[in-house]
Amino acid sequence: DGGITQSPKYLFRKEGQNVTLSCEQNLNHDAMYWYRQDPGQGLRLIYYSQIVNDFQKGDIAEGYSVSREKKESFPLTVTSAQKNPTAFYLCASTIQGPGKNYGYTFGSGTRLTVV
Amino acid sequence: AQTVTQSQPEMSVQEAETVTLSCTYDTSESDYYLFWYKQPPSRQMILVIRQEAYKQQNATENRFSVNFQKAAKSFSLKISDSQLGDAAMYFCAYRSGNTGTASKLTFGTGTRLQVTL
Repeated sequence: DGGITQSPKYLFRKEGQNVTLSCEQNLNHDAMYWYRQDPGQGLRLIYYSQIVNDFQKGDIAEGYSVSREKKESFPLTVTSAQKNPTAFYLCASTIQGPGKNYGYTFGSGTRLTVV
Repeated sequence: AQTVTQSQPEMSVQEAETVTLSCTYDTSESDYYLFWYKQPPSRQMILVIRQEAYKQQNATENRFSVNFQKAAKSFSLKISDSQLGDAAMYFCAYRSGNTGTASKLTFGTGTRLQVTL
């Protein structure tokens, strides 16, 4: 079955450490997204990518980095510059194009905690 | 920039009753799409229903329907015959119809729905 796989489900980061969250999709979707979810704030866009080797900053990109070397993969690195990284992270993908209103397919998320 | 507002942080409904969740949005665009997503305790985001702004007819999906008022920029979700499995966080989301916007979704802050016996 096609879908989006996020790993790990739970991740613990020490102060000053970089960590990478994995996101893989086998849906042949063009666009991929990373969102951060905090209580009472909904989902906020971190980074997105419409094609391989190209990505754009979202609303809260500071302290994060991404890569898109393959269509199927869009990993997110939470760097030590991110001062408050404890949150739930969601990866999503969708088909792009005029009139294509399919909404997003989401992964099951990664819970990141700073220890 | 577009904004989405959900003014009800929490709602409660009795099993088998009907409940309406509110959502308003702000945009200067005429072509856009609106969505309701459900996030149960598992935290998996599930698409409930979608609406194209150019369609006057309100979308329905089984027990879920929307009241789309384009002029008022309102997009409420009605859940009929509520079931215990409907208990979840519900998010309203907006997507521009402009293909240059990379299909980005803007989310509201969510409404937590409780279903009681």
